[in-house]
Amino acid sequence: QKEVEQNSGPLSVPEGAIASLNCTYSDRVSQSFFWYRQYSGKSPELIMSIYSNGDKEDGRFTAQLNKASQYVSLLIRDSQPSDSATYLCAVNQAGTALIFGKGTTLSVSS
Amino acid sequence: ETGVTQSPTHLIKTRGQQVTLRCSSQSGHNTVSWYQQALGQGPQFIFQYYREEENGRGNFPPRFSGLQFPNYSSELNVNALELDDSALYLCASSLDPLAATITGELFFGEGSRLTVL
Repeated sequence: QKEVEQNSGPLSVPEGAIASLNCTYSDRVSQSFFWYRQYSGKSPELIMSIYSNGDKEDGRFTAQLNKASQYVSLLIRDSQPSDSATYLCAVNQAGTALIFGKGTTLSVSS
Repeated sequence: ETGVTQSPTHLIKTRGQQVTLRCSSQSGHNTVSWYQQALGQGPQFIFQYYREEENGRGNFPPRFSGLQFPNYSSELNVNALELDDSALYLCASSLDPLAATITGELFFGEGSRLTVL
């Protein structure tokens, strides 16, 4: 059973701090890794994708991938209250599906 | 707004009943994937439709079935509803079948929240 594991949280950080979200996956053949953000009562939206080992930066967001450790992370710098949401880690499965983790709930206090 | 619309937004059914959920994909997208999201869980893949054919299926029983129409809109049907079917059902459209897994560019609708009593 291919799995994606995340700490469900909640993760609480003060405004302006760095939020660090972590994810591990079980399927070594996975090639594509994604972070989705889901606001309460809303649908998921893609915020980051990463395919190769190392870091990928997009504005205040940095995704990190370590395939040897089967580990993906998302760093959010200068966290804002508007970043408060559930962050879903997703990994591609051979074929047409994404496997999602349960999500980590982030709360940024002002 | 993703351009993906789902209906109904909320519905309540009783055990044993049947339900049909509908989804209109984003313009230019020929692929629709359905996901089930139980409370406090991540989305789980149900199946994908491409060019009116099922193009991949997750670990869901046959009482979950679907259709895709020539205009790429789609339906999810669930027969013999069980209490555990209570969830948010998400439809996601993509440019093609592999776009969903290679680029992660799944465009989700706002979902249909099903409650089974």
